[in-house]
Amino acid sequence: QVQLQESGPGLVKPSQTLSLTCTVSGGSLSTGVYYWSWVRQPAGKGLEWIGRIFRSGTTNYNPSLKSRVTISVGTSKTQFSLKLTSVTAADTAVYYCARGLEGSFEGELEYWGQGALVIVSS
Amino acid sequence: QSVLTQPPSVSAAPGQKVTISCSGSTSNIGNSYVSWYQQLPGTAPKLVIYDNHKRPSGIPDRISGSKSGTSATLGITGLQTGDEADYYCGTWDANLSAVVFGGGTKLTVL
Repeated sequence: QVQLQESGPGLVKPSQTLSLTCTVSGGSLSTGVYYWSWVRQPAGKGLEWIGRIFRSGTTNYNPSLKSRVTISVGTSKTQFSLKLTSVTAADTAVYYCARGLEGSFEGELEYWGQGALVIVSS
Repeated sequence: QSVLTQPPSVSAAPGQKVTISCSGSTSNIGNSYVSWYQQLPGTAPKLVIYDNHKRPSGIPDRISGSKSGTSATLGITGLQTGDEADYYCGTWDANLSAVVFGGGTKLTVL
């Protein structure tokens, strides 16, 4: 059973960079045909897909965030990370990491982390 | 403004049936598989339908999905109070090269 766990600072100052890591247990980012995604959800609002990475390193990003987002795989192949630069209060949200269904290009997300609340405030 | 359009809320009595619609376009629903997620209060979303109509292991057959053209529908029969949640549709948008979600629908079991 695959499990995902987000970690990182819960408070980030405006204009700084938000950095989160997703640790995968019960699996590896280097095996299988999976996309690994980040999704966020502001309080009381809907889901917003941030982007994803494939084991080859290929990435796709939400066009509205593309200029500020980088998703990468860690050297251990059991972690992937999210960096979001120049944050503002609008980036305050619960951030989820998720794994797609095997072989799914459409972004069908089968496993989710429990979420990490990140508040942007001075 | 979400790329996929869902009604903000639906409601029905226990034991009844409810449907939730998800409307898109040819660049997304019309040419991609649709998935549905259930989000109980304070928890992460959970995949309940994938490939338009398939259920992951453990999802009861009271929950169903369908797609026609550029719209998809989630159906839940035999409603239970435990079904109260927010439901989201999602798919790939070829024009955006991005995963897109609907705005979410809050299901209330009266």
